[in-house]
Formats: sequence, structure tokens, C-alpha cells
Amino acid sequence: SQTIHQWPATLVQPVGSPLSLECTVEGTSNPNLYWYRQAAGRGLQLLFYSVGIGQISSEVPQNLSASRPQDRQFILSSKKLLLSDSGFYLCASRQGPNIQYFGAGTRLSVL
Amino acid sequence: GENVEQHPSTLSVQEGDSAVIKCTYSDSASNYFPWYKQELGKRPQLIIDIRSNVGEKKDQRIAVTLNKTAKHFSLHITETQPEDSAVYFCAAHSGYALNFGKGTSLLVTP
Repeated sequence: SQTIHQWPATLVQPVGSPLSLECTVEGTSNPNLYWYRQAAGRGLQLLFYSVGIGQISSEVPQNLSASRPQDRQFILSSKKLLLSDSGFYLCASRQGPNIQYFGAGTRLSVL
Repeated sequence: GENVEQHPSTLSVQEGDSAVIKCTYSDSASNYFPWYKQELGKRPQLIIDIRSNVGEKKDQRIAVTLNKTAKHFSLHITETQPEDSAVYFCAAHSGYALNFGKGTSLLVTP
């Protein structure tokens, strides 16, 4: 079965600083990859998904971007963080027909 | 796009009672409906799923039912235990992504 690696687990960043969160997947090839954000006590908001290298679909317009430089690597970035970017960021990978699993997440606090 | 509504937002039951969480979806093309359990500070974990060609699926104390005509599906937990306390999310698959409900916070009191 696949394993989803996310790092770092927690991150504290000042407003206006850049961001780079990385997600890598093992044990599968050509997965669909997803970035979700979860604000405290809230639901899962889909930010980006990718069906292949270099292919990114954005669900929510904002100051975040995503890239997929390799088949099993998905990166979430920002040039300048806002306070509202704080939250729990989850990477997910689809294995098999529709089955989706989540990484352990990165808890981002923007101060 | 797909819109998934989930109710209730909070649910409190006594240990041993049953809990039911209901979801509706809008896209008749949706064909896969998973349920996730998220404990505090942890990632969502898949607990059960159902596909559109099945009306009901059971796994020990957990069951899910699907009514395609009415576009709703439900999670049933029987003989609840304190460790069932968590936030539960339903989802419906449409296109390339899962669309999630807003979650139900379940509290099981001893």
C-alpha cells in the first residue's frame, strides 16, 4: 500500500514570509494528488489537485500555488503568507478507483 | 459542481446507543461515497465506503446506506464507545476529486 510523507509537521511563519510544503508518495505510480486546508474546527477545503506531472487544477483562488515537478511529489507554495493562511494542510493521494488517503498534515501558524 | 450537505453538525450520544449521520449530494454522476473519521489533531482516516451499485455495506459496528434516487447516504454506528468520539466527514466523488461535507462532531459519553 502507499505511504504519504508530509513535512514539516508544524510550522510557524511570520506574515509576509514565503512558504513551501512538500508531499511525497511511495508505493504507487501516477497518483492523483490533492492539497486540502482545514481551519480550526472546520471542514476540508480542496485547494489544488493534480492528475499528472505539471498538471495543476486550482479550486480556490488565493495567494497559494502548487506544483508537481515529479510523479510522486506535490508542493504547496506561497510568496507572501497572510494571517488567514493559518491552518492544517493535508496532502492526499488517490489509490485505486477513487480511494483517497491523507498524509499526516502540516500545522501552519502565521503570526 | 458537487455540493455535499452533512447533518447534524454535532451529535452527543450515550455509550451503547446508536449514532446516525446523514449526507445529501447534488451531482447524480457521483459514484463513490466514503466516510472519514478524524480524531483531534490527526489526519482523516477512511472508515468505510460505498459505491453507487450497492445500497448498503456493513463492517462490524459501522454501516453505510445509499439511496441514489434521493441522493442521500448515511453512516450508522451501533453500540457506540467513547473511542468513537471524533469528527466524521462524508464525501462524494465527482470528476477528479472528493467533495466533503462540513463534518459531524460526535461525542460518546460513558
